[in-house]
Amino acid sequence: QVQLQQWGAGLLKPSETLSLTCAVYGGSFSGYYWSWIRQPPGKGLEWIGEINHSGSTDYNPPLKSRVTILADTSKNQFSLKLTSVTAADTALYYCAREVVTATGYYYMDVWGKGTTVTVSS
Amino acid sequence: DIQMTQSPSSLSASLGDRVTITCRASQRITNYLNWYQQKPGKAPKVLIYSASSLQSGVPSRFSGSGSGTDFTLTISSLQAEDFAAYYCQQSYGMPYTFGQGTKLDIK
Repeated sequence: QVQLQQWGAGLLKPSETLSLTCAVYGGSFSGYYWSWIRQPPGKGLEWIGEINHSGSTDYNPPLKSRVTILADTSKNQFSLKLTSVTAADTALYYCAREVVTATGYYYMDVWGKGTTVTVSS
Repeated sequence: DIQMTQSPSSLSASLGDRVTITCRASQRITNYLNWYQQKPGKAPKVLIYSASSLQSGVPSRFSGSGSGTDFTLTISSLQAEDFAAYYCQQSYGMPYTFGQGTKLDIK
């Protein structure tokens, strides 16, 4: 059974860089897309971006200038970096596996437990 | 970006009720529509993908329908464990976008 374990710093000051890592256990890294999604306190879900096993990425345009998602296939891990954080980046950050069905439909079927990131001076 | 609008934003219902949540896309997305359930303090869980396909392990009381711009999630008979937040998400185009959520609680 595939599990995602995520970790990273939970308290940042404004202008610092958010760094999170997500490890994939019990399943293949290749053949899937790997996403980051965040949820501000009491609010809905926002897709941040994704990477596939070959390193191809897509980012949400409002965040694109500050976001980098990388994959380390040797460790079955992928990571998120978000630079120049502000209080608006305070959120619960999730990593997720995105599956592509045989008929070409995409959805996120396995999620990490989430990491709370707070940005405060 | 494709905007996803859910209604209602909140809903009170009783055990055994039939409940329908609606999701509307700002442009046609054929059936690239997924539904997730999120319980407090937990990660979202996929219920329905491609508008009407039931994810493995999800109870059959959950069903999805729709195509184009209008979609629905139906719970045929509410159980205690169904009280949660529900989100639709389009995977038709980048960036992926979610609806604002529907919070379902006990009447």
